[in-house]
Amino acid sequence: DAGVTQSPTHLIKTRGQQVTLRCSPKSGHDTVSWYQQALGQGPQFIFQYYEEEERQRGNFPDRFSGHQFPNYSSELNVNALLLGDSALYLCASSLRQEQYFGPGTRLTVT
Amino acid sequence: QKEVEQDPGPLSVPEGAIVSLNCTYSNSAFQYFMWYRQYSRKGPELLMYTYSSGNKEDGRFTAQVDKSSKYISLFIRDSQPSDSATYLCAMSAMTGGGNKLTFGTGTQLKVEL
Repeated sequence: DAGVTQSPTHLIKTRGQQVTLRCSPKSGHDTVSWYQQALGQGPQFIFQYYEEEERQRGNFPDRFSGHQFPNYSSELNVNALLLGDSALYLCASSLRQEQYFGPGTRLTVT
Repeated sequence: QKEVEQDPGPLSVPEGAIVSLNCTYSNSAFQYFMWYRQYSRKGPELLMYTYSSGNKEDGRFTAQVDKSSKYISLFIRDSQPSDSATYLCAMSAMTGGGNKLTFGTGTQLKVEL
């Protein structure tokens, strides 16, 4: 049984560009959450998707948006990239309370 | 003040030692408590999950939750060099509108031979 998968693994972008990150949840899971983890910090909640709707959102600007597809996979989009957006972006899937994380996408903004 | 406080360490112990990792929190709505292990540059791995107060044991790992003190702990017995990682506590509230996790900053653990 494949766990949570994310693509790409690494990404380098320039300030002002846009980026799309992708996540496939663990089999049987219907909820996907996205987190941003800066170096030396715990993950910070961005938003959560359930039944193709954004169910909950953290304190992130509108530049961060997402989508969930009928097969429960999800995308995270970030517009107008800033240097401060450089981080590890983590996707987690869940069916109930326990959330299982993918390996993350490391985004570097130059 | 952060909702979840966790000593960042680093914590260095000899192989075979008992390790105690702790978090305190301020939000009394938190009902679900988790411990994750994160190796360098990898995604967090769920180690333990506890609902409300009490103890839970799984192999060498024991999780404790004391809601009256807003304090949670993870104990690792017979620690091994492979336990060297960052340990993150996380918690969530019971709501009908989502179950976002609030994390501590993580404690870096090194188990030395």
